Amino acid sequence: KQEVTQIPAALSVPEGENLVLNCSFTDSAIYNLQWFRQDPGKGLTSLLLIQSSQREQTSGRLNASLDKSSGRSTLYIAASQPGDSATYLCAVRPGGQNFVFGPGTRLSVLP
Amino acid sequence: DAGVIQSPRHEVTEMGQEVTLRCKPISGHDYLFWYRQTMMRGLELLIYFNNNVPIDDSGMPEDRFSAKMPNASFSTLKIQPSEPRDSAVYFCASRKPNSNSPLHFGNGTRLTVT
Repeated sequence: KQEVTQIPAALSVPEGENLVLNCSFTDSAIYNLQWFRQDPGKGLTSLLLIQSSQREQTSGRLNASLDKSSGRSTLYIAASQPGDSATYLCAVRPGGQNFVFGPGTRLSVLP
Repeated sequence: DAGVIQSPRHEVTEMGQEVTLRCKPISGHDYLFWYRQTMMRGLELLIYFNNNVPIDDSGMPEDRFSAKMPNASFSTLKIQPSEPRDSAVYFCASRKPNSNSPLHFGNGTRLTVT
């Protein structure tokens, strides 16, 4: 059974710092991996989706990498801003249609 | 594109009452998912549909839960009778049939059962 973990559970950084969020999954047989952002009281917003054949995806200040063999993905946020404060979730698609979600990392960027 | 639309945003009901949650997926999205989010268990898949047909309902916790998708633009999740442990945020999500397409979520329905 696929399990997804995220470390750290919470992170607080000063504005301007570069930071890395980690996601680990137990079964490397995945179809793709997606990173989401969730603001309080809101739904999940898709940030990046990486196919299993890809190593990384970039969107603006965000870069997500995937190392399928080791069961890891990282989300790199450059020059963090207070508006980046949110919970970040990663989700893997094992091969069917469903996604298995991690518990999320709660990020606070302090001005 | 209006995104995935859920209603109501908040629902407060008494134990034993019937609750119906509604979802309108993004037009052209053939897959529709219902998730439940709680602090203890995170995001859990309840059921998903493909072309209006339920494909996997193994996540539906009990017979008290049922879901329908009568057409491509509307789905409901019903709980009857509701119980306090059903209190959670219920999300609907949809995606295109293309296997590379991302999942799009609605803003959720926060259900409180007293």
